[in-house]
Amino acid sequence: RKEVEQDPGPFNVPEGATVAFNCTYSNSASQSFFWYRQDCRKEPKLLMSVYSSGNEDGRFTAQLNRASQYISLLIRDSKLSDSATYLCVVNMAGSQGNLIFGKGTKLSVKP
Amino acid sequence: EPEVTQTPSHQVTQMGQEVILRCVPISNHLYFYWYRQILGQKVEFLVSFYNNEISEKSEIFDDQFSVERPDGSNFTLKIRSTKLEDSAMYFCASSASGTGALGYTFGSGTRLTVV
Repeated sequence: RKEVEQDPGPFNVPEGATVAFNCTYSNSASQSFFWYRQDCRKEPKLLMSVYSSGNEDGRFTAQLNRASQYISLLIRDSKLSDSATYLCVVNMAGSQGNLIFGKGTKLSVKP
Repeated sequence: EPEVTQTPSHQVTQMGQEVILRCVPISNHLYFYWYRQILGQKVEFLVSFYNNEISEKSEIFDDQFSVERPDGSNFTLKIRSTKLEDSAMYFCASSASGTGALGYTFGSGTRLTVV
């Protein structure tokens, strides 16, 4: 079964904390990997793509381990505005748009 | 920043009625998608559309559902004979790449409530 599994959360952290989210995917044929952010009752918004070499965008760092089928997202110096649900998303090889979403991990950043 | 536009934002319909959800994808995108999210659940793929035909569909996308690109800008999802379990947020998305490598831009969604 094609699945993406994430930490259930919720994560409640103080402002300025570093928080890490983990994700595993079951199908080794997966080809593209993403982290999306979803605010309550809103659409998913692309946070960043995830590359094998790892990539960073400001306070956000994503890592991919294909051998372990594991994806991570690290948020440094967390802000109140980072409070959201973070979705791990995988696109299957040969798929025409069938993104497989994880259930998401809810993050609450408190003052 | 280019947007995917969806209308209406909220639709209430009686069980058994037909609904049409509308989307205007980003103008230079060629790949279009519908996803849905039942409250509290994962976002789920319904269908992808390219070159005026369905390129892939999920098990959810049965004969009750259909998609159409009636003109150069709109992309619609029709749900015939709605059921209570069709209540969900329906998201339209578009992409410049069919492999998904560039990620997708989602519209703000239509909340469908079947009563």
